[in-house]
This record gives sequence, structure tokens and C-alpha cells, in this order.
Amino acid sequence: AQSVTQLGSHVSVSEGALVLLRCNYSSSVPPYLFWYVQYPNQGLQLLLKYTTGATLVKGINGFEAEFKKSETSFHLTKPSAHMSDAAEYFCAVSYSGSARQLTFGSGTQLTVLP
Amino acid sequence: KAGVTQTPRYLIKTRGQQVTLSCSPISGHRSVSWYQQTPGQGLQFLFEYFSETQRNKGNFPGRFSGRQFSNSRSEMNVSTLELGDSALYLCASSLFGTDTNTEAFFGQGTRLTVV
Repeated sequence: AQSVTQLGSHVSVSEGALVLLRCNYSSSVPPYLFWYVQYPNQGLQLLLKYTTGATLVKGINGFEAEFKKSETSFHLTKPSAHMSDAAEYFCAVSYSGSARQLTFGSGTQLTVLP
Repeated sequence: KAGVTQTPRYLIKTRGQQVTLSCSPISGHRSVSWYQQTPGQGLQFLFEYFSETQRNKGNFPGRFSGRQFSNSRSEMNVSTLELGDSALYLCASSLFGTDTNTEAFFGQGTRLTVV
């Protein structure tokens, strides 16, 4: 069965510092990979997605992620954290070729310190 | 254009009761997926509907059911509520197809509390 592991349920960074949120998937078949962000009492917003093609994916709000097949990873990064980035981030995988049926990781709560 | 609308936003029910949640997808979207979010289990896929037919189902008991109407609006129903059903229920709409660029747009969710 497909699964997604997010290392670190809580990550704290200082404002202006690098953000690195880790995601590993389990599969021998390359999946479709997504990062979502959730603010308190809100739904999920898509940050970026990898389907095929370029392995470095750029998303909204300055986030990007790199698909590394050899490491089965899809880590999310942002060069400089902003206070507004504080939220919960979810990595998700789909093997159906679309985002209609997603398997999510357990989430990483990002805190940005002033 | 309007986003995904879920009603109600908050709901309190008593154990043993049943509940119906509603989701109106983005205009033109024909697929609706439902997810349950709890602190213990995280985000879990419940089911997906397209053209009034359930296409995929997650690993949930039969107490959880859903349906989709001809206008693509969807409802999910939970019967004989248990305390563990307390959760945020999220609905996502998307265009149906094999296009890998299909994106799922999520609603704000319905917070269900079972007491």
C-alpha cells in the first residue's frame, strides 16, 4: 500500500531562515506528489505538485520541492521564512494519476519565530 | 469563481444520531472527494463521486455513506454516530479525467463534534 512519511511533526525556524520540511514516499512506481498547506480552521490549499517532467517544482508563496526518485523523497523548501508561513503542511501522494484520491502524510506544524 | 462550499461549518451531535453533511463543488467540476481529518488518524480518504456514482472508497465502515446529485453537489451521511467520528470533514472538488494536472480544490470543512 502506498504511504507517505513526514519527518518531524513540529518544525520551528526563525523569520528569514531556510524552511525544510521532509517527505518520503514508499513505492517502486513513481507517484504523483503534492504539498498542501492548512491554516487553522481552514481547508487545504495546494502549494505545488509533481506529476511528470522537471524534478524541481516551483509553487506558490516562494515554496519549491525536488522529486528525488533515488531517495524516494519530495522535500519542501523555502529560502526565507515569513511569519505568514506558520501553518500545517501536508505531503500527499496519488497513484491514480490525479488529485482525486490522495494519501496524506501526518503533517508538519511549522512555527516561525520572530 | 466561487470555491467549494461546505455546510454547515460546525455541527454538534449526540452519540447514536445520524448526520448529513453537504458539499457544493466549484462550478463545472464533476468529481467530489471526501476526507476525514482527526488528530489521531490524520487525513484519510473516505470516498469519491463522479456522475452520481461512487468511484473509489476508503477503508471506513458502512456507517459512512455518500451520494452525488445531478448538479454534482454531494452529501455524506454518517449513521449511528460514535465519539470517534468527531472530526473535520473536508470535501474536495476537481475536474474528472485522466489529466494528471487535475487539481483538487478543498472546502473549509465541516467540524463535527459528537458528544
